[in-house]
Amino acid sequence: DVKVTQSSRYLVKRTGEKVFLECVQDMDHENMFWYRQDPGLGLRLIYFSYDVKMKEKGDIPEGYSVSREKKERFSLILESASTNQTSMYLCASSLARTGAYEQYFGPGTRLTVT
Amino acid sequence: QKEVEQNSGPLSVPEGAIASLNCTYSDRGSQSFFWYRQYSGKSPELIMSIYSNGDKEDGRFTAQLNKASQYVSLLIRDSQPSDSATYLCAVFSNDYKLSFGAGTTVTVRA
Repeated sequence: DVKVTQSSRYLVKRTGEKVFLECVQDMDHENMFWYRQDPGLGLRLIYFSYDVKMKEKGDIPEGYSVSREKKERFSLILESASTNQTSMYLCASSLARTGAYEQYFGPGTRLTVT
Repeated sequence: QKEVEQNSGPLSVPEGAIASLNCTYSDRGSQSFFWYRQYSGKSPELIMSIYSNGDKEDGRFTAQLNKASQYVSLLIRDSQPSDSATYLCAVFSNDYKLSFGAGTTVTVRA
């Protein structure tokens, strides 16, 4: 079974704080993704990585950065948290096998910025 | 912009009936298609993958793909209250990423 874990299920941070969200997958997947999900806006891709130390911007990268130092770990960083970053954050991973690309999601982190 | 459109919900069906979910996509080069189920407050769970035209059955779920019409659907037979969830259609093209639809919320009435 594919397992994607996220460091926290719920997180409350103050405006201006630096926030780290961690994601770990145990299936040796090449690709990893960070999304946020908000009511009425669906899933929006923030960043993704297709290899160690590689990263690509998604649709809404502003205010975020990422780090992938090891294949199994992908971190999302909010440099200076703002209230509009209150959201559900979802990490996902997938194999790089051509024609497949099923993504498997972690349980999510519900972040509240006050 | 690659678009994935799903039929707007919510969709309410009686227990035991068939729930029919539809999805259209804009990128004719799309190769792989997925259905995810998401319970309220939980993360999306992959329930079906389909890569070639035709039907694919898995238990009570049947995915149908028609690439010429750029259309993919999901049928849930013998719907159960536990099927009440939001169903997301996702489409893969050729740049590592999936494009997701907004989702259709299904409620199965006991």
